[in-house]
Amino acid sequence: NAGVTQTPKFQVLKTGQSMTLQCAQDMNHEYMSWYRQDPGMGLRLIHYSVGAGITDQGEVPNGYNVSRSTTEDFPLRLLSAAPSQTSVYFCASRSANEKLFFGSGTQLSVL
Amino acid sequence: GENVEQHPSTLSVQEGDSAVIKCTYSDSASNYFPWYKQELGKRPQLIIDIRSNVGEKKDQRIAVTLNKTAKHFSLHITETQPEDSAVYFCAALFSGGYNKLIFGAGTRLAVHP
Repeated sequence: NAGVTQTPKFQVLKTGQSMTLQCAQDMNHEYMSWYRQDPGMGLRLIHYSVGAGITDQGEVPNGYNVSRSTTEDFPLRLLSAAPSQTSVYFCASRSANEKLFFGSGTQLSVL
Repeated sequence: GENVEQHPSTLSVQEGDSAVIKCTYSDSASNYFPWYKQELGKRPQLIIDIRSNVGEKKDQRIAVTLNKTAKHFSLHITETQPEDSAVYFCAALFSGGYNKLIFGAGTRLAVHP
C-alpha cells in the first residue's frame, strides 16, 4: 500500500513551457485534490475531484488544468508556466472520514 | 467566502512550556476541523481533528478546542519538546457544493531547549 505517489519530486521549467504533475493513490479514495504551498500562505487549494469524471475549482485554479479519468489518478497540468507558479505542489486524497493523505510533494521552479 | 485565519504566524517557547495556536473560520457550515504538522522538507501529517458535535478532544500532550458560536478553534500543546518544532496548519471543511478542506496560513513553532 503505497498511499499517495507524486512525480516528479523536482522540476525546473522555462516560462511558457507546459508540464504535467502526476498523482496516484491506491487507497480507493473518491476525493483527490491539489494544493500549492508558498511561504507565509499555507496550503492553497488549486483543484479537486470527488470522483472519476468530476472536478471543481479551488481557491487558486488559474493557469492549471485537471481531469479525472480513473479513481486512482489525478494529474495536474500547467498549460503555460509562469514564474508565479514557482511553488511546492502537494497532491492529497481524502478518506471517507475526511482525513487527508498527502503525497511527498513536487518542488517546481519556473525561470 | 470560505476563509480560515490562523494566529500567530510564528511562536517561540521554552521546552516544557505550553503552546497555543488559534484559528477562526468564516462559514458556519463547517463541521470538521483538523490540524496538520509539517516538519521541514516533509509532507503535512494529521495530528488531531475535531468534529462539530464535541467541544474538546485530547491526545496525550495535544488537545483541540472548538467554539462553533464564535467560529474559532485552537490547538494546545503541553510540555513542549524540541521535536514539536514544526509548522502547524489548521483547516476547516466547508460544505458549500462539494466539500472543500481549506487551510490556514500556518504557524511556525520553535521549541528551545
